[in-house]
Amino acid sequence: QLQLQESGPGLVKPSETLSLTCTVSGGSVSSRNYYWGWIRQPPGKGLEWIGSFYYSESTHYNASLKSRVTISADTSKNQFTLRLSSVTAADTAVYYCARTGTKLWAVGEGKYYYYYYMDVWGKGTTVTVS
Amino acid sequence: QSALTQPASVSGSPGQSITISCTGTSSDVGYYNYVSWYQQHPGKAPKLLIYDVSNRPSGVSTRFSGSKSGNTASLTISGLQTEDEADYYCSSYTTSSTSVFGTGTKVTVL
Repeated sequence: QLQLQESGPGLVKPSETLSLTCTVSGGSVSSRNYYWGWIRQPPGKGLEWIGSFYYSESTHYNASLKSRVTISADTSKNQFTLRLSSVTAADTAVYYCARTGTKLWAVGEGKYYYYYYMDVWGKGTTVTVS
Repeated sequence: QSALTQPASVSGSPGQSITISCTGTSSDVGYYNYVSWYQQHPGKAPKLLIYDVSNRPSGVSTRFSGSKSGNTASLTISGLQTEDEADYYCSSYTTSSTSVFGTGTKVTVL
């Protein structure tokens, strides 16, 4: 059964870099079938998609965060990491990692099918910038 | 990428049906059938309810259904139950190869 677990410091100082790790169990971040990514939720507010990556081929980020965000994978540890630089109080949020999409090859049809939804989530980790 | 627009709140009595709308643009909801819906109870991670506009993952109640017309997607909860009281979010894939969430709707069971 696929499980994701976020980890990292709960408190980050303004202007520093927030770094979080998502450990994947029951699946592989190097799978060519799945996308993985990060979502956050400020206190009392809605969900915000941060970004996602696929294998080692592509990474996509929320345009509003693009200049500050990096998502990368450590396949040897079956983990992926979020780095958000120059943080401010506005970056205070619960951060979730999730499986964010699926890419399946239909052998009989000779084409890929894509699914872009977040079906497995971590429990979330709270990060406060102060 | 602006958030998709949802009503802030929707309410209904037990047993009733309610519908939550999710309005986007021709670059997201209107372009792809990659609309998904999530339920979030307080202090919990979101749970996938609907994907690809109208498909339910295994284990999700048939009381939840989804549809789409143009730039607006909808989630209908039929036979409203007390445990349906939660926040609901839509999401769509976009032409920028990113995803965007809706503003969220708080469902209250009267």
